[in-house]
Amino acid sequence: KNQVEQSPQSLIILEGKNCTLQCNYTVSPFSNLRWYKQDTGRGPVSLTIMTFSENTKSNGRYTATLDADTKQSSLHITASQLSDSASYICVVSAARLTHASGGSYIPTFGRGTSLIVHP
Amino acid sequence: SQTIHQWPATLVQPVGSPLSLECTVEGTSNPNLYWYRQAAGRGLQLLFYSVGIGQISSEVPQNLSASRPQDRQFILSSKKLLLSDSGFYLCAWSVVRRYNEQFFGPGTRLTVL
Repeated sequence: KNQVEQSPQSLIILEGKNCTLQCNYTVSPFSNLRWYKQDTGRGPVSLTIMTFSENTKSNGRYTATLDADTKQSSLHITASQLSDSASYICVVSAARLTHASGGSYIPTFGRGTSLIVHP
Repeated sequence: SQTIHQWPATLVQPVGSPLSLECTVEGTSNPNLYWYRQAAGRGLQLLFYSVGIGQISSEVPQNLSASRPQDRQFILSSKKLLLSDSGFYLCAWSVVRRYNEQFFGPGTRLTVL
């Protein structure tokens, strides 16, 4: 069964500090991994997308890493700002397209890490 | 550029009333379309997805149904709402050639009283 586990469930940090969020997955065969940011009451917005051959991807103060061997990813936020307060969701997609049960392009979502940045 | 619209933004409905949420996508053709529900403090739950007009797959049994009458239109419906249908409903689209990366709409907050 495809699964995505995120940790920690929630995190509180002070403005200006760095933090790292973790994502472990068992999705197979692997196609890509994405990190989304979801502000309260809004739809998720994509931060990064990484395929099998990529092990790091940056988007401003956000840097995602991927270790396909250990099936782990991390999202590092540098010099946090109050606007970084949000839920961060890890999403992993399988590589094979099929409409039968057990394998598809339907992504598997983690439950998210809730980040609160305090002034 | 592509855009995705959802309406209404918020909705308060009594138990037993019908529901119709609409989602439309602009700027792309033949997208995959999705309906998700997010309960308070919970992750996203996939409800339905569609790979083409009239093609609907349901991921979980529930009180809801979906339809895709046009290529870029996806509708979520219910004949009789339950209290447990309350939540934040998100529509999303993707295209296979872009790694099926999903793009989400602004969401609809549904409260069933």
